[in-house]
Amino acid sequence: EAAVTQSPRSKVAVTGGKVTLSCHQTNNHDYMYWYRQDTGHGLRLIHYSYVADSTEKGDIPDGYKASRPSQENFSLILELASLSQTAVYFCASKQGANTLYFGAGTRLSVL
Amino acid sequence: GQQVQQSPASLVLQEGENAELQCNFSTSLNSMQWFYQRPEGSLVSLFYNPSGTKQSGRLTSTTVIKERRSSLHISSSQITDSGTYLCAMELNYGGSGNKLIFGTGTLLSVKP
Repeated sequence: EAAVTQSPRSKVAVTGGKVTLSCHQTNNHDYMYWYRQDTGHGLRLIHYSYVADSTEKGDIPDGYKASRPSQENFSLILELASLSQTAVYFCASKQGANTLYFGAGTRLSVL
Repeated sequence: GQQVQQSPASLVLQEGENAELQCNFSTSLNSMQWFYQRPEGSLVSLFYNPSGTKQSGRLTSTTVIKERRSSLHISSSQITDSGTYLCAMELNYGGSGNKLIFGTGTLLSVKP
């Protein structure tokens, strides 16, 4: 079973502050994804990566940066957190044409 | 516009009833997957189903790629089936790799 670990599990941030969400996977998967979930919107893709040291924009990248320093780690960075970025964030990984494995999620509240 | 349409948006069943959830895609896709989101929020994969029919216990997934649709059938529903069911389509962007785009889900509630 693929293991995807997110940290922190929850966070309260102040508007304008910097937030970093971390994701670690132990199955040597090529692909890693960051999604946000809001009520009524399902899961929306923010950034993804299919190789270390490279990231791609998803459907809603504005206000977010991503970093993939190694095969195992994928971070999501909010340089200037805003109220509208309050959401639950999920990291996921997969290998090729195969099942997607999710982390447990990070609940972010921006006040 | 929304590339993945799920229906119904919500569904209430009596325990023991069957359910059919639908997923329709507005574009050609490589494959699709079904996920279950527990009431507390965690997500688990149900099916990776690029085409044809797959069964796991009381769940059956059928994907017809050419018609850009997939369905999830739940037979003899149980209270523990309650939660949100999400489908996702996988698109290939050539040099930018593969993206998975999700629908907004079907919220299922099974009553005793």
